[in-house]
Amino acid sequence: EAGVAQSPRYKIIEKRQSVAFWCNPISGHATLYWYQQILGQGPKLLIQFQNNGVVDDSQLPKDRFSAERLKGVDSTLKIQPAKLEDSAVYLCASSFQGSYGYTFGSGTRLTVV
Amino acid sequence: AQSVTQLDSQVPVFEEAPVELRCNYSSSVSVYLFWYVQYPNQGLQLLLKYLSGSTLVESINGFEAEFNKSQTSFHLRKPSVHISDTAEYFCAVSVVGGTSYGKLTFGQGTILTVHP
Repeated sequence: EAGVAQSPRYKIIEKRQSVAFWCNPISGHATLYWYQQILGQGPKLLIQFQNNGVVDDSQLPKDRFSAERLKGVDSTLKIQPAKLEDSAVYLCASSFQGSYGYTFGSGTRLTVV
Repeated sequence: AQSVTQLDSQVPVFEEAPVELRCNYSSSVSVYLFWYVQYPNQGLQLLLKYLSGSTLVESINGFEAEFNKSQTSFHLRKPSVHISDTAEYFCAVSVVGGTSYGKLTFGQGTILTVHP
């Protein structure tokens, strides 16, 4: 089975610019997660989708971050405008509804300069 | 809220030696427990998980972890490590049930470096 696909792998932008990341989950997985992993820390959940509805976005900085999951499949995470502290790896994961322990994509490494 | 503490940020060890990576958690509700591994420039891979049943769980590549409820620990062990085990290891918990089922709370990670 194909894994979780993410793009781009790397992105470098200047502060105050905008950036978007894309995630294609494993086919049939209803639940999709976006995590932020800052260097030296464990990943932190930003947002969780069930199909195309949001289950948890309590740790998403909504003044600059937004995410959508159209048609309950692919998802896009956007940052506008970016800050230096947004430099991190953004990981996407997916799972069957109600399951625990799941597969992550390779991530997008964002550097804000 | 849940929290996870990995007691060692770095663990150096020689090849074929045993290793233990320590993990403690804090939670007021029941949790499931996980270990993930991250090789350089790769995503996180699920190594093993404890959901229920036997408190000792094993992975296919020789790692094992034991859930100790009284000590709120889930330490990861391997009796003999290989160079290829060099990676960063993350301990994580997930609340049983609830609205955010599946959400993982991670520790800070432990970098395991195996020397020849």
